[in-house]
Amino acid sequence: ILNVEQSPQSLHVQEGDSTNFTCSFPSSNFYALHWYRWETAKSPEALFVMTLNGDEKKKGRISATLNTKEGYSYLYIKGSQPEDSATYLCAFRTGANNLFFGTGTRLTVIP
Amino acid sequence: EPEVTQTPSHQVTQMGQEVILRCVPISNHLYFYWYRQILGQKVEFLVSFYNNEISEKSEIFDDQFSVERPDGSNFTLKIRSTKLEDSAMYFCAGARDVESPLHFGNGTRLTVT
Repeated sequence: ILNVEQSPQSLHVQEGDSTNFTCSFPSSNFYALHWYRWETAKSPEALFVMTLNGDEKKKGRISATLNTKEGYSYLYIKGSQPEDSATYLCAFRTGANNLFFGTGTRLTVIP
Repeated sequence: EPEVTQTPSHQVTQMGQEVILRCVPISNHLYFYWYRQILGQKVEFLVSFYNNEISEKSEIFDDQFSVERPDGSNFTLKIRSTKLEDSAMYFCAGARDVESPLHFGNGTRLTVT
């Protein structure tokens, strides 16, 4: 089992604040890094799939960066809204057969 | 947009009983996965399936677990003799290819009493 770490474990921010959190993963045997957004009572929903060192992806107010050499990815949310409240999961893929998930960062945006 | 469908949404069973969790994947997906999340813990990989056979399984996926594709489309995850520690949310997920993100079902909450 590969170790994928996410920090912080949970986070409370005020509406309108920008925030970011981290995913750390092994720097060897890298294939891809996924980010998912998981709202309570729903299924995880894909945000990004990142494969290249230095990759930056953006979807609305959410963006992500990737550093495969040092084994980390950041997820940024600009101008947080209450509807951004969710658990954000990253997952590390070494090949076709498996995705190893981190423990997630639980974000609460306070109106 | 097509969805991954899991049934039942909630299953309560007694320890030692067999349970079958069902998943209908998206039709053009080729890679399939089962994950579970015990309350308060991380999402854990159970098994992956490609080309009608298991491609990888974790140490959790012991002899009590099996996965089948009985009719070429639907998937089942069977736990032969459930234990209390099998209580978790079980997710089925699929992907078109290894470059694509996973599409998850809504999960089956299994409660073993």
